[in-house]
Amino acid sequence: DAGVIQSPRHEVTEMGQEVTLRCKPISGHNSLFWYRQTMMRGLELLIYFNNNVPIDDSGMPEDRFSAKMPNASFSTLKIQPSEPRDSAVYFCASSLKGSYEQYFGPGTRLTVT
Amino acid sequence: GDSVTQMEGPVTLSEEAFLTINCTYTATGYPSLFWYVQYPGEGLQLLLKATKADDKGSNKGFEATYRKETTSFHLEKGSVQVSDSAVYFCALSDPGQAGTALIFGKGTTLSVSS
Repeated sequence: DAGVIQSPRHEVTEMGQEVTLRCKPISGHNSLFWYRQTMMRGLELLIYFNNNVPIDDSGMPEDRFSAKMPNASFSTLKIQPSEPRDSAVYFCASSLKGSYEQYFGPGTRLTVT
Repeated sequence: GDSVTQMEGPVTLSEEAFLTINCTYTATGYPSLFWYVQYPGEGLQLLLKATKADDKGSNKGFEATYRKETTSFHLEKGSVQVSDSAVYFCALSDPGQAGTALIFGKGTTLSVSS
């Protein structure tokens, strides 16, 4: 199994630009989670989906952040416009229906200058 | 609400030393408990889990026992190696709500020197 796939692995962009992070969950998993990790705030849940439907987006920082899951094998997290304080590592994770175990991708390291 | 509290790090040990990382939780009901490990530059990996009171999870020489009476799930290893250097996260799940988000502690950094 390929595991959770995230792209890009690294992204450097300038303030004000749009950033799109991508995630492919493990095949057959029906829950998908987006997390953000920083030194100051640790690991934060941004949003999660069950069966492609957003369930809880209370962790999304503000309207500049949006996430979509158009099908069971793909999700995006978009930041528009990006700001330096968005610099972090963004993780995607997925889990199988009926299981609590989450499988994490390798993360996308975002730097906004 | 539900929460997880881990001991502050970093924890610095010499190779072959005994490791304990404390984790306590607050939850309504009976959650499942997890330890995840994050090696440098990587995502989190499930290390071990326990789903009910008195269960012991174990993997790669690490162990943790689900203690309902003390609401704890401390991680232990008898003899650490340099390769165990990583960040360790304790987490719990909302009981009866598979497919919901885990609640993570802030993580404890372990550094093992030879």
